[in-house]
Amino acid sequence: GAVVSQHPSRVICKSGTSVKIECRSLDFQATTMFWYRQFPKQSLMLMATSNEGSKATYEQGVEKDKFLINHASLTLSTLTVTSAHPEDSSFYICSASTAIGELFFGEGSRLTVL
Amino acid sequence: QQQVKQSPQSLIVQKGGISIINCAYENTAFDYFPWYQQFPGKGPALLIAIRPDVSEKKEGRFTISFNKSAKQFSLHIMDSQPGDSATYFCAATFKAAGNKLTFGGGTRVLVKP
Repeated sequence: GAVVSQHPSRVICKSGTSVKIECRSLDFQATTMFWYRQFPKQSLMLMATSNEGSKATYEQGVEKDKFLINHASLTLSTLTVTSAHPEDSSFYICSASTAIGELFFGEGSRLTVL
Repeated sequence: QQQVKQSPQSLIVQKGGISIINCAYENTAFDYFPWYQQFPGKGPALLIAIRPDVSEKKEGRFTISFNKSAKQFSLHIMDSQPGDSATYFCAATFKAAGNKLTFGGGTRVLVKP
């Protein structure tokens, strides 16, 4: 299947700092990428839809100034958690859509804010 | 509003047994129903998917049964193995939604040796 790479897989940061997470589609071009957040033992919660070359569409209740999304190319989307606080600690997962509509997920990035 | 309801929340099955997970949806516009397998600390992996023009799809030990009139679909894992122990998520989407997935709540499956 298609490969979606996320980096870093784990990150620990101090409260107040910003953290960038990258999502790359390695063997296909993804016009659309999605960013999810997952708390322990819960389902995935969609945060935003990222389209190449345009502004991301955020789900209700997700702060766009807090979670900055950039989709600079057909193979790369980034999520920046700005001024992170302990409550932002979570598992962040991206997915990328192929031309025929299949969705493949990255391995996830665990963010811990101290 | 939870548009995809998944049950059970957890499941314990003996090695060699059949694991059955059920999902029900509300939005009749959904036209693509994937199942994902997630191991702890990893992202979900696409397991198998079905579209509503067929009632069943089988890939190896995994089978999706789809009942359009009842708006239900289920995953059957035949000959369950300890390596199948994971969390399984059903999901649904439709083309006009730009492939934005609506996930079920997940089912934690434990296969005992």
